[in-house]
Amino acid sequence: AQKITQTQPGMFVQEKEAVTLDCTYDTSDQSYGLFWYKQPSSGEMIFLIYQGSYDEQNATEGRYSLNFQKARKSANLVISASQLGDSAMYFCAMREVGTSYGKLTFGQGTILTVHP
Amino acid sequence: NAGVTQTPKFRVLKTGQSMTLLCAQDMNHEYMYWYRQDPGMGLRLIHYSVGEGTTAKGEVPDGYNVSRLKKQNFLLGLESAAPSQTSVYFCASSPGGADYGYTFGSGTRLTVV
Repeated sequence: AQKITQTQPGMFVQEKEAVTLDCTYDTSDQSYGLFWYKQPSSGEMIFLIYQGSYDEQNATEGRYSLNFQKARKSANLVISASQLGDSAMYFCAMREVGTSYGKLTFGQGTILTVHP
Repeated sequence: NAGVTQTPKFRVLKTGQSMTLLCAQDMNHEYMYWYRQDPGMGLRLIHYSVGEGTTAKGEVPDGYNVSRLKKQNFLLGLESAAPSQTSVYFCASSPGGADYGYTFGSGTRLTVV
């Protein structure tokens, strides 16, 4: 069974608008971490934001926020005021404490295109 | 400020040839990982290491071998390259723990013809 699911292969947004990228996860661990990474066309992986399973507040990093709904096992990334430079592939990932020495499991990714 | 360095950045191999990808990190991280990235499949774990001298198999280990003789280096070997190993390979390192993400290398684009 897939542990991380990103159901949106591609998303389009107008510049300056907000966009939500979906991510659902599956784990039986009580302690885990959720991450979002950005991969621009140049190929590098850039860390965006982290949410711990015990964190009561949603994580925020500048224009990025993570809409964490633990009961629904979802960890959606919200990008506010989109910029042209936000066009990239976005990966959701999960790290489970109890298994495999903390390896990250990645979703399939969502390609975001920001239109001017 | 090097972080994680991968060499080479690009390589074209013929079927059956061998090669080694080198990953070096200068952050004193215990954990190191090799992933491959293929279109529509995200990143999949090939092998990983939890410390000097230790290695373990990930999701897709067949056709690859690894070694971690020094804490800062993690080598990925292809003994007999196949076209199915055409991919982008990422090395990553981490201090460990659920609240630590990865520091990634810049990737190696490998084409096997």
